[in-house]
Amino acid sequence: QLQLRESGPGLVKPSETLSLTCTVSGGSISGSNYYWGWIRQPPGKGLEWIGSIYDSGSAYYNPSLKSRVTISVDTSKNQFSLNLNSVTATDTALYYCAREPNAWGPGTLVTVSS
Amino acid sequence: ECVLTQSPGTLSLSPGDRATLSCRASQSVGYNYLAWLQQKPGQAPRLLISGASSRATGIPDRFSGSGSGTDFTLTISRLEPEDFAVYFCQQYGSFPFTFGPGTKVDLK
Repeated sequence: QLQLRESGPGLVKPSETLSLTCTVSGGSISGSNYYWGWIRQPPGKGLEWIGSIYDSGSAYYNPSLKSRVTISVDTSKNQFSLNLNSVTATDTALYYCAREPNAWGPGTLVTVSS
Repeated sequence: ECVLTQSPGTLSLSPGDRATLSCRASQSVGYNYLAWLQQKPGQAPRLLISGASSRATGIPDRFSGSGSGTDFTLTISRLEPEDFAVYFCQQYGSFPFTFGPGTKVDLK
């Protein structure tokens, strides 16, 4: 059974870079023919798509975040990662990784605060 | 960008009732790649329906999806107590992928 799990710091300082990794088990990113994505949800609010990557490395981003986001994939480790730079308090959210649209990780809360 | 609008914002119903949730897109959803997700408090979203009408593995048949193009519907034929939750639609047919704002189904 496919499982995804997010990992990374739960607290990031303003202006710094938020870095998260999604580890996939029970299935392979390589050759999957799926997009692997990052989604976030501020406390008490809706879902916001951040971006997705294909196993080939082709990535697509939310235009509102594009200037600050990089998503990369490491098929040898069966992982993909999110970097979001120049963070502010508005980037505080639950961050989910997913094999879109059908499998989600449990999410990890990232708080931006000094 | 394909903007998704969901209605109603809140649906107040009783167990055993039929629930009808709407998702409208600002442009035709590519390949009808429209998903419905359920989210309960403190949990990650769970896929119910993909491709507008295909139930995900393990999803009870009281959940059904329909529609195409710009108008989509999720129907819960008879609400069970565990169905009271927030439901989101997502289009994954064109980039950027987008989510609707959600419909909360709560207890009347």
